[in-house]
Amino acid sequence: EAQVTQNPRYLITVTGKKLTVTCSQNMNHEYMSWYRQDPGLGLRQIYYSMNVEVTDKGDVPEGYKVSRKEKRNFPLILESPSPNQTSLYFCASSLSRGRNEQFFGPGTRLTVL
Amino acid sequence: DQQVKQNSPSLSVQEGRISILNCDYTNSMFDYFLWYKKYPAEGPTFLISISSIKDKNEDGRFTVFLNKSAKHLSLHIVPSQPGDSAVYFCAACNDYKLSFGAGTTVTVRA
Repeated sequence: EAQVTQNPRYLITVTGKKLTVTCSQNMNHEYMSWYRQDPGLGLRQIYYSMNVEVTDKGDVPEGYKVSRKEKRNFPLILESPSPNQTSLYFCASSLSRGRNEQFFGPGTRLTVL
Repeated sequence: DQQVKQNSPSLSVQEGRISILNCDYTNSMFDYFLWYKKYPAEGPTFLISISSIKDKNEDGRFTVFLNKSAKHLSLHIVPSQPGDSAVYFCAACNDYKLSFGAGTTVTVRA
């Protein structure tokens, strides 16, 4: 089954404790992206990757890191989480560009205390 | 500052009637527009898209209209069905970057 998986689905952590949210897709997509969803703000793009080893900032990259060492995986790293990073995070992938239909993961609910 | 705006946070429509969702954008570099639908506890799913060289795209009950001069697009759902109750996000694309609106929650009443 074609899908995007994210882990964990739910996470409660404390300020400053490094964490990684994993994202994996099995569709051989070149493009992957991370978004956060906040009330009243919709989905905001954090980082995206056009292909292996090629990443770029979205609209809200501060406080986040990403890496794309393999085509299927695109982890999101929070080196020192803060309460304003409490949000619902989505990973997505598509064939090659943002204009292609993106397939979204189920989301990761992160709470930073 | 949000470059894509959906000014109606919610819309209630009777089953069988038309739902019209609106979206405005500010960046004239956007050249592709998409609508996504989201149910609670799930990721968004793609609904329909339109290139900036077109002014209309239709897919079954869903039609998207684009007015480039006004920087405005709309999504029409005809007829509305109970399963259409969801949050709808408008998105605009410039090559690799994607900007989303805040979403419109549609409720279809029986």
